[in-house]
Amino acid sequence: GESVGLHLPTLSVQEGDNSIINCAYSNSASDYFIWYKQESGKGPQFIIDIRSNMDKRQGQRVTVLLNKTVKHLSLQIAATQPGDSAVYFCAEKFDFGNEKLTFGTGTRLTIIP
Amino acid sequence: DADVTQTPRNRITKTGKRIMLECSQTKGHDRMYWYRQDPGLGLRLIYYSFDVKDINKGEISDGYSVSRQAQAKFSLSLESAIPNQTALYFCATSDWTSGLNNEQFFGPGTRLTVL
Repeated sequence: GESVGLHLPTLSVQEGDNSIINCAYSNSASDYFIWYKQESGKGPQFIIDIRSNMDKRQGQRVTVLLNKTVKHLSLQIAATQPGDSAVYFCAEKFDFGNEKLTFGTGTRLTIIP
Repeated sequence: DADVTQTPRNRITKTGKRIMLECSQTKGHDRMYWYRQDPGLGLRLIYYSFDVKDINKGEISDGYSVSRQAQAKFSLSLESAIPNQTALYFCATSDWTSGLNNEQFFGPGTRLTVL
């Protein structure tokens, strides 16, 4: 079956540095992707999304890059802060109108003061 | 006040007991979801509902049932709980509008332990 996975389960970054979290997906028909942040004891929180007709989208301190050729998604966080420490999930939808999300297993990002 | 609330936040129960987890939302969204989160497996969809009394199975619906009697409420039931249903359960909502953000808003989660 199709799956969404992450290259690295953990990532430690010095405060103020940039971080990059990667995600590989296997369904070439996926047309919508989302990054979520989950802090300890809380539910996932939406960060940024991107549709398959785009290769880059920027938000506040975050950028998502989509490479459909190699089916790879990344989340870049600029000038990391202690509050960025969390588990980050990528998720995909096979059909933009279909509300079912398939989540990856998550990457734990730790910001070192 | 939180937009998506879940009760209880924590529950310990015994094998064979019936358990109901409640989810309420004040966002006015028509779509609601129940997910299960296990370590190393990410979130998996149990059931989802696009409107009142609309029920759809997700990828892991066996052993669970849901009820959507009102737009603001979506309950998840375990008719006879078993230990491998020990997990963190999340409710989520969304309000799909064509061409725009398909974001799902998550509740704080319910930690269920089945002994």
